[in-house]
Amino acid sequence: QSVLTQPPSVSGTPGQRVTISCSGGSFNIGSNTVNWYQHLPGTAPKLLIHSNDLRPSGVPDRISGSKSGTSASLAISGLQSEDEADYYCAVWDDNLNGPVFGGGTKLTVL
Amino acid sequence: QVQLQQWGAGLLRPSETLSLTCAVHGGSFSGYNWNWIRQAPGKGLEWIGEINHSGNTNYSPSLKSRVTISVDTSKSQFSLNLTSVTAADTAVYYCARRRWFRASNWIAPWGQGTLVTVSS
Repeated sequence: QSVLTQPPSVSGTPGQRVTISCSGGSFNIGSNTVNWYQHLPGTAPKLLIHSNDLRPSGVPDRISGSKSGTSASLAISGLQSEDEADYYCAVWDDNLNGPVFGGGTKLTVL
Repeated sequence: QVQLQQWGAGLLRPSETLSLTCAVHGGSFSGYNWNWIRQAPGKGLEWIGEINHSGNTNYSPSLKSRVTISVDTSKSQFSLNLTSVTAADTAVYYCARRRWFRASNWIAPWGQGTLVTVSS
């Protein structure tokens, strides 16, 4: 059971916009900034969003993040087949005194 | 561009000690926290612990009794030891860098991952 709750799966067709939610609590998302990672099997997780809504260099602007209260969201617009992957939210947890991760959401491009 | 390269034994028997090392290439070693994170088959990501260049450590409470993370700043390397492993420790283990900036922190980049299997 992960500290952060994500839907197990989402899907969309090419060109569509999808969102992935991440729900936490006052000691993690409510107090700290949220990061999002893309993970393809057999590869290293890739940072997509940090500090709630900031994209590292090289991440396209069709990917965006937001946070409100104890929840956060990742949005991917103009869906492409290459977006098919697992997505994880992560945030510092003041109780754990370490980072916690969501259970992951598998994005399928139909 | 910072790159993390990790290595270690991939097959262990129950009760043995897991040992992995991660080398940091192409960037500063100080000013960051160096982390170990794992992912068991079919499960999500689990934080194990971290160390800074001064050797200050911070461990997950659930693993603290079995974990030691150490650092060799002369080689820009850090290592993970996990004692008394069981099948529940079977996972892909990642090393990664955590950066703090003002009130935010994030983990990137990550190593390529090492599959560690515990089996008799």
